[in-house]
Amino acid sequence: DVKVTQSSRYLVKRTGEKVFLECVQDMDHENMFWYRQDPGLGLRLIYFSYDVKMKEKGDIPEGYSVSREKKERFSLILESASTNQTSMYLCASSPQGSRNTIYFGEGSWLTVV
Amino acid sequence: AQSVTQLGSHVSVSEGALVLLRCNYSSSVPPYLFWYVQYPNQGLQLLLKYTTGATLVKGINGFEAEFKKSETSFHLTKPSAHMSDAAEYFCAVSGGSNYKLTFGKGTLLTVNP
Repeated sequence: DVKVTQSSRYLVKRTGEKVFLECVQDMDHENMFWYRQDPGLGLRLIYFSYDVKMKEKGDIPEGYSVSREKKERFSLILESASTNQTSMYLCASSPQGSRNTIYFGEGSWLTVV
Repeated sequence: AQSVTQLGSHVSVSEGALVLLRCNYSSSVPPYLFWYVQYPNQGLQLLLKYTTGATLVKGINGFEAEFKKSETSFHLTKPSAHMSDAAEYFCAVSGGSNYKLTFGKGTLLTVNP
């Protein structure tokens, strides 16, 4: 079974803090993704990576950055957390190719106070 | 560019009744279409997908969907709803060299006893 593991399920951070969300996949997938999920808005793509050290902006990259130093690990960074970044964050991975299934982690609930 | 419209943010059915969740898409290339399900406090799980070939696709838990190119639709159905089907359902599209998934805003399915 494909396993996408997000290191933290629930986090509470203060405004202005630097926040790291970590994600690891065990299937040697080339592609990795960070989505944000908000009620009524569905899932919106923040960043994705198609190879180590490669990244591309998604639909809502503002206020976020990412790091992919190893193939299995993809980190989402909030340089200075703000209350409007309170959300559910979903990491995902897939093999190369647009017909391939994207596999999701369990999600990380981030609350910024 | 790709987009997905899910008609109805909330659908309520009785146990044993037909489930019909609607999805229309827009894509400038032949689409690959997906339905995902999300149970409370969990990540997304693939229900079924259409890539090529047979337009009627069967998935897990008794769900199926039919790709209708002329109607740009990929509606999800299940003949008889079960209480365990209560969840949020997301339709998504990818295609061509674009391996990113674009999601609809989701439909919350409630099953009444």
